[in-house]
Amino acid sequence: AQSVAQPEDQVNVAEGNPLTVKCTYSVSGNPYLFWYVQYPNRGLQFLLKYITGDNLVKGSYGFEAEFNKSQTSFHLKKPSALVSDSALYFCAVRDMSNDYKLSFGAGTTVTVRA
Amino acid sequence: SQTIHQWPATLVQPVGSPLSLECTVEGTSNPNLYWYRQAAGRGLQLLFYSVGIGQISSEVPQNLSASRPQDRQFILSSKKLLLSDSGFYLCAWSVLRQVETEAFFGQGTRLTVV
Repeated sequence: AQSVAQPEDQVNVAEGNPLTVKCTYSVSGNPYLFWYVQYPNRGLQFLLKYITGDNLVKGSYGFEAEFNKSQTSFHLKKPSALVSDSALYFCAVRDMSNDYKLSFGAGTTVTVRA
Repeated sequence: SQTIHQWPATLVQPVGSPLSLECTVEGTSNPNLYWYRQAAGRGLQLLFYSVGIGQISSEVPQNLSASRPQDRQFILSSKKLLLSDSGFYLCAWSVLRQVETEAFFGQGTRLTVV
């Protein structure tokens, strides 16, 4: 089965500093990777995805992610974090061996302090 | 454009009472439909998914059931709620069998069983 791992439960950064949220994947075949954000008591919002092509993917709200095949990683990044970026972030992968379902990581809580 | 509706937003139910949560999708046909549960603001657990009317797959044994009486309607039910059924329930949809497309989530239902 395909899976993703988010090694950090929590990431804390100061406003204006770069933000990185880590994700590693384990797939057989081509990976289809996604990032979502969740604000308190809300549903998940799609940020960006990697399907094929450029390793640097740009998404919503100034976020981008870098796909690294050799390191099997898909880290989410933002050059300058905002307090409003404080939320729960999920990495996900399409499980091609399991009816194309989305398999999610455990989530990383990002706190951006003013 | 496609939209997903999920209701109610919050629900407080006594132990042993029945449950019915409803999710509907507009603007698309033949979607994949999903029910997830999120406990304590953390990871997502896939409960059920459906690839068509009357076709339901259960991911984990539990006190809940799901039904898809119409193409764009997905219902989560229980005959008798347990305290452990408390959590944040999320409905989602994606384009059937298109691996490159993301899933779209409803706003969630906060269920508290007392």
